[in-house]
Amino acid sequence: GQNIDQPTEMTATEGAIVQINCTYQTSGFNGLFWYQQHAGEAPTFLSYNVLDGLEEKGRFSSFLSRSKGYSYLLLKELQMKDSASYLCAVMDSNYQLIWGAGTKLIIKP
Amino acid sequence: GAVVSQHPSRVICKSGTSVKIECRSLDFQATTMFWYRQFPKQSLMLMATSNEGSKATYEQGVEKDKFLINHASLTLSTLTVTSAHPEDSSFYICSAYTGTSGYNEQFFGPGTRLTVL
Repeated sequence: GQNIDQPTEMTATEGAIVQINCTYQTSGFNGLFWYQQHAGEAPTFLSYNVLDGLEEKGRFSSFLSRSKGYSYLLLKELQMKDSASYLCAVMDSNYQLIWGAGTKLIIKP
Repeated sequence: GAVVSQHPSRVICKSGTSVKIECRSLDFQATTMFWYRQFPKQSLMLMATSNEGSKATYEQGVEKDKFLINHASLTLSTLTVTSAHPEDSSFYICSAYTGTSGYNEQFFGPGTRLTVL
């Protein structure tokens, strides 16, 4: 079956760096997405990786290793507004998104 | 960027009534739209995939006669929850896929919070 694993919850301090890991097993691979979702809102797109390596976008970076079925989202210079759930999703061979359960990130002052 | 709207944003209805939720792509044509449901503290669950002009493809366990989907045009898809019951209370989110984005990205609507009393 298809499976996406990510930690349920993480806590970090304002101004620090946090890495959220995601491992996956899917039928085919057409890219991995990271989304941010604040409570009561729809997800917003953060990043997309389809080739191995690191994609950097401002304070956020995302890494992919297809051979290991592994990705991480790196958030730097954490701000209180970064408190949210972070969803890892893989697009399978049918171009459907397979979603992880999300990681709730709590930022403390 | 691509914008997707949903209407209504919140709805409260009595058990047994039907509720229609609209999903519109405002500045692009969506070849495919997806309907998701999300229960509290859980991830998104795909309900169905809707292609313009054809019947929706429902995920296993989703009743097609209860959740009616109509993708009448390249910019509009509707989800009708028929004979709603309290267990249908959830956050319903649509997304639209252009088929032309280099990122294969799905653009999400803001969601509809349904509460069935």
